[in-house]
Amino acid sequence: DAGVIQSPRHEVTEMGQEVTLRCKPISGHNSLFWYRQTMMRGLELLIYFNNNVPIDDSGMPEDRFSAKMPNASFSTLKIQPSEPRDSAVYFCASSLGASSYEQYFGPGTRLTVT
Amino acid sequence: AQSVTQLDSQVPVFEEAPVELRCNYSSSVSVYLFWYVQYPNQGLQLLLKYLSGSTLVKGINGFEAEFNKSQTSFHLRKPSVHISDTAEYFCAVSYPAAGNKLTFGGGTRVLVKP
Repeated sequence: DAGVIQSPRHEVTEMGQEVTLRCKPISGHNSLFWYRQTMMRGLELLIYFNNNVPIDDSGMPEDRFSAKMPNASFSTLKIQPSEPRDSAVYFCASSLGASSYEQYFGPGTRLTVT
Repeated sequence: AQSVTQLDSQVPVFEEAPVELRCNYSSSVSVYLFWYVQYPNQGLQLLLKYLSGSTLVKGINGFEAEFNKSQTSFHLRKPSVHISDTAEYFCAVSYPAAGNKLTFGGGTRVLVKP
């Protein structure tokens, strides 16, 4: 099993540009989570999906952030426009389903906004 | 609101010495508890979990944790650490009513010295 796949692994962009982060969950997993990790705020849950449906997006910082899951094998997290304070490592994780509590994390995308 | 407190942000320890990482959570209802490990530049990996049953839980890499309901704690221990245990460790909690959403503590950075 390839595990959770995230791309790109590193992204450097200028303030104001659009950034799209991608995630492929483990095949057969029905829940998908997006997290942000920074030194100041630690690990924060941004949004999660069950069966491709967003369940809780209360952690999304503001309207500049949006996430989609068009099918069971793909999700995107978009930031538009990006700001320097968005610089962080963004993790995607997946789990079997709503009754499964073990989450499998991807390697993360390190985003730097200059 | 759910919260998880990891009392130590950093723990230096000598190789082959024991280590204990402290975790306390706030809840008046049943909880599920987890410890994750994050090696440098990697995603999080599950070390162990408590869902029910025996309060002493054994995980991978020689780690174990004990659930103490009266003290609302879930401390992680290893009797003898290796250099390779240098990493950041996260305690997390989930509540059955919250589905499979996890709330993470702030993390404890373990530095194993030779």
